[in-house]
Amino acid sequence: RKEVEQDPGPFNVPEGATVAFNCTYSNSASQSFFWYRQDCRKEPKLLMSVYSSGNEDGRFTAQLNRASQYISLLIRDSKLSDSATYLCVVARSYNTDKLIFGTGTRLQVFP
Amino acid sequence: DAGVIQSPRHEVTEMGQEVTLRCKPISGHNSLFWYRQTMMRGLELLIYFNNNVPIDDSGMPEDRFSAKMPNASFSTLKIQPSEPRDSAVYFCASRSPTGIQGEQFFGPGTRLTVL
Repeated sequence: RKEVEQDPGPFNVPEGATVAFNCTYSNSASQSFFWYRQDCRKEPKLLMSVYSSGNEDGRFTAQLNRASQYISLLIRDSKLSDSATYLCVVARSYNTDKLIFGTGTRLQVFP
Repeated sequence: DAGVIQSPRHEVTEMGQEVTLRCKPISGHNSLFWYRQTMMRGLELLIYFNNNVPIDDSGMPEDRFSAKMPNASFSTLKIQPSEPRDSAVYFCASRSPTGIQGEQFFGPGTRLTVL
């Protein structure tokens, strides 16, 4: 079983839709959580951190459920430019240098 | 500002040949990471350095892989001898000592094909 699991998708949604991705992690000692975004044939980039209390950045909302060991990302009012692969990322400990990446969920937003 | 620089961007080689991938981190960043990405396994950390010192190489698949960081502005990942299963995209990333926790800046990657 992979340490970080994501539905690979693709999620095909129209512009303006709300879409949510979930991610589960197996190591209960994991301490830090992030979402990265990777455009097709490009490098990954940090999208946002995920805090225990949940956090919002514009149209993006990330939440953490430690009891169930899952992380979610909600995107409201989807734009064509949101089309990308979203990588769920976990740090096993407070050492956030050692990041464990999920294989990603692909989102395709169509007009 | 220049981001992380990797070379070559594409490499096609034959099985058994030596491959050397190069990385220049962002100036001022003191941590450097080498990752490998494949469709099946996703993005995997191979090795990382803090202040030019290797900290964790537990992700290096086998003795055919080696990495060095002779100074703060340069690192290499070497595969010798290369095998077809090494075909992947290899990313180098760096991190600032004062940056956002968990934020690593990735280079554009080297797409390696071993025939």
